Amino acid sequence: GQNIDQPTEMTATEGAIVQINCTYQTSGFNGLFWYQQHAGEAPTFLSYNVLDGLEEKGRFSSFLSRSKGYSYLLLKELQMKDSASYLCAVRRSDFVFGPGTRLSVLP
Amino acid sequence: SQTIHQWPATLVQPVGSPLSLECTVEGTSNPNLYWYRQAAGRGLQLLFYSVGIGQISSEVPQNLSASRPQDRQFILSSKKLLLSDSGFYLCASNRETEAFFGQGTRLTVV
Repeated sequence: GQNIDQPTEMTATEGAIVQINCTYQTSGFNGLFWYQQHAGEAPTFLSYNVLDGLEEKGRFSSFLSRSKGYSYLLLKELQMKDSASYLCAVRRSDFVFGPGTRLSVLP
Repeated sequence: SQTIHQWPATLVQPVGSPLSLECTVEGTSNPNLYWYRQAAGRGLQLLFYSVGIGQISSEVPQNLSASRPQDRQFILSSKKLLLSDSGFYLCASNRETEAFFGQGTRLTVV
């Protein structure tokens, strides 16, 4: 079957750095995606990894290790507006989403 | 980029009533289309997936059905809603890279 795991909740302080981990076991792999979702809204695309390594995009970076079935999303210089759920997704021919990690940024 | 139109934004329906949610896509052709459901505080559950007109894959047995009558139109339906059908329904589309989402429909079955 398909299995994508993420921590349920995380808390961090404004200005800090936080790393959100994702492990996956899926039949088929065509890329690992991270989405941000604020409560009651649709998910928005953050980053995409198809090869091993780190992809940096401003305050957000994402890492992938295909051999380990592992990815993380790194958020730097946290801001209050970063409080949201972060969804890890694997694209096969379709998209399979993880349960999401609810991040709370405290002042 | 792609734009996903999904309506209505909110819906309150009695148990046993029918349902029809519509999603249309602009800015691409022959997209993959998806219907997801999200329970409060939970992740996205894939309900239906379509690679083309009339081609629908169902991920979980349920009270819902989907149809794709046109290339960029995807419809989620039910003949008789259950209380357990309440949730946040999201339509999504992708071609080669990331998935784009509609704004979602919050369905409450009472």
